[in-house]
Amino acid sequence: DSGVTQTPKHLITATGQRVTLRCSPRSGDLSVYWYQQSLDQGLQFLIQYYNGEERAKGNILERFSAQQFPDLHSELNLSSLELGDSALYFCASSVESGGGHGELFFGEGSRLTVL
Amino acid sequence: DAKTTQPPSMDCAEGRAANLPCNHSTISGNEYVYWYRQIHSQGPQYIIHGLKNNETNEMASLIITEDRKSSTLILPHATLRDTAVYYCIVRGSGSARQLTFGSGTQLTVLP
Repeated sequence: DSGVTQTPKHLITATGQRVTLRCSPRSGDLSVYWYQQSLDQGLQFLIQYYNGEERAKGNILERFSAQQFPDLHSELNLSSLELGDSALYFCASSVESGGGHGELFFGEGSRLTVL
Repeated sequence: DAKTTQPPSMDCAEGRAANLPCNHSTISGNEYVYWYRQIHSQGPQYIIHGLKNNETNEMASLIITEDRKSSTLILPHATLRDTAVYYCIVRGSGSARQLTFGSGTQLTVLP
């Protein structure tokens, strides 16, 4: 158990809909990262937040948005869903952003299926 | 961050050492080598990381060549539960700390 909690574990929805994925980082971790893993793309970095502020952005579509709240949990919002958005979405957390080095702790993921 | 090259797949007999190679010929002086693994669609799991010295922890050993252009992850006594995709990642310390995952090596431990 990494200490990172993601909900829901599974989600099935239709094209055009909107969903919200939630992530609670490990206690004390200030950084949250979102990754997407689809069959043909591997693990793709989407976005990182540190203590409530966006810190780095990767291959995140404009239809997707995220935020980190004062209690440090994060939400990834996916809108106007397309079939190609079907994927595993992972959240990871780490103690700090920038400076030193250290590992990321990943949650078990949210599996999104768009029909 | 420097690019890494790993073999797409490897087999290892249960109980034997698994040696997973990684090439990172463009690594720069302040970049670390990280290893993660992913067991069948679970969240990736940190294994070990190093800068230039060899490192060992309860899971594995990391051997980095003197020129730092390649490294080897060693699982000393592989078990069936070590079957996973292993990712070698090179990342510098800095403000952007996300990991960039490549294709990894699918390690299959055979009974």
